[in-house]
Amino acid sequence: GAVVSQHPSWVICKSGTSVKIECRSLDFQATTMFWYRQFPKQSLMLMATSNEGSKATYEQGVEKDKFLINHASLTLSTLTVTSAHPEDSSFYICSARKSQAYEQYFGPGTRLTVT
Amino acid sequence: GENVEQHPSTLSVQEGDSAVIKCTYSDSASNYFPWYKQELGKRPQLIIDIRSNVGEKKDQRIAVTLNKTAKHFSLHITETQPEDSAVYFCAASWGYGQNFVFGPGTRLSVLP
Repeated sequence: GAVVSQHPSWVICKSGTSVKIECRSLDFQATTMFWYRQFPKQSLMLMATSNEGSKATYEQGVEKDKFLINHASLTLSTLTVTSAHPEDSSFYICSARKSQAYEQYFGPGTRLTVT
Repeated sequence: GENVEQHPSTLSVQEGDSAVIKCTYSDSASNYFPWYKQELGKRPQLIIDIRSNVGEKKDQRIAVTLNKTAKHFSLHITETQPEDSAVYFCAASWGYGQNFVFGPGTRLSVLP
């Protein structure tokens, strides 16, 4: 068990438009989900932590009004990149955690390209 | 906040040799240390983890050692194979549900 899916796997959008990425835990309830961004040849940088039914906690330097996170259920979290710009092009990865557990299970990632 | 350093940044070994990657962390409150393997364009996959109440853990060809006093932990891969080639990330966390702080990664190449 502990499978996490992400949709879409890749997306190309025009500058100024918004894009929504979904993260789902398929076979467990995820009390906490995390959103990461990974630029080429770099490490995973945490963007925000979201708990079901609560507002997300954003890391320093991440604009909450630009990266909207919703964690409406124990199996789904969404990340919306609003007014996307070319510098937002990156690999976005979510992870999910079961209650009272240390481990995080990662989704397959979404490659966003903003033209 | 927590800071995780990782060395080396790149590592090349001959097939069959051993590979060792070392990480250091700054926050003595950290108590969970996972290692992830990431192939190009794919998700990070947990390969082994260790909690602060043990000093060593082994799973077939992979082992992790932890020195809490020195605040460092290491990944050991024995009998390396070409399919071990990937980027390896260490991470540190200080409790249930807390976020991970990742190291910068090590690109391992296993040469046939």
